[in-house]
Amino acid sequence: DVKVTQSSRYLVKRTGEKVFLECVQDMDHENMFWYRQDPGLGLRLIYFSYDVKMKEKGDIPEGYSVSREKKERFSLILESASTNQTSMYLCASSSIVQPQHFGDGTRLSIL
Amino acid sequence: GEDVEQSLFLSVREGDSSVINCTYTDSSSTYLYWYKQEPGAGLQLLTYIFSNMDMKQDQRLTVLLNKKDKHLSLRIADTQTGDSAIYFCAETEYGNKLVFGAGTILRVKS
Repeated sequence: DVKVTQSSRYLVKRTGEKVFLECVQDMDHENMFWYRQDPGLGLRLIYFSYDVKMKEKGDIPEGYSVSREKKERFSLILESASTNQTSMYLCASSSIVQPQHFGDGTRLSIL
Repeated sequence: GEDVEQSLFLSVREGDSSVINCTYTDSSSTYLYWYKQEPGAGLQLLTYIFSNMDMKQDQRLTVLLNKKDKHLSLRIADTQTGDSAIYFCAETEYGNKLVFGAGTILRVKS
């Protein structure tokens, strides 16, 4: 079974802090994704990566950056957290032959 | 751009069948997916269908695809209280980047 692990289930940070959300997958998938989920808005793609050190902007990249130094790990970075970034963050990974599998999510609160 | 639409809410009685509907706009879609999200959890892949198929059955789940109308449905037979969740429809052209609907909340009454 595919396992996608997000480092924290719940996280509380303060406005202006730099926040790191980590995601690790164990299936050697080429593709990794970061989404945020807000009530009534569904899932919105922030960034994705097709390979190590490669990244592509999704639909809402503003205020975020990402890092993919190793194939199994994809990090989402909030450079200077703001209250409108309070949300549920979901990581996923996929390959050519396997559809996207998701982690359990990180519920992030920015105070 | 591509768009996927779903009804927001469905309520059924335990033991009845549930049908969740989805429409999409991208005529180049190659794969269409159904994901389930239980409270406080991530998304779990339920099933998917390739665009050259009309139907796929997997135990209690039946997926119907009408490519002409760009309409996808998920039927859950003998719906149980454990099926209460949010169901997301998603489509992709290249098998990588997905476009999701806003999700349908399924409530099963016992």
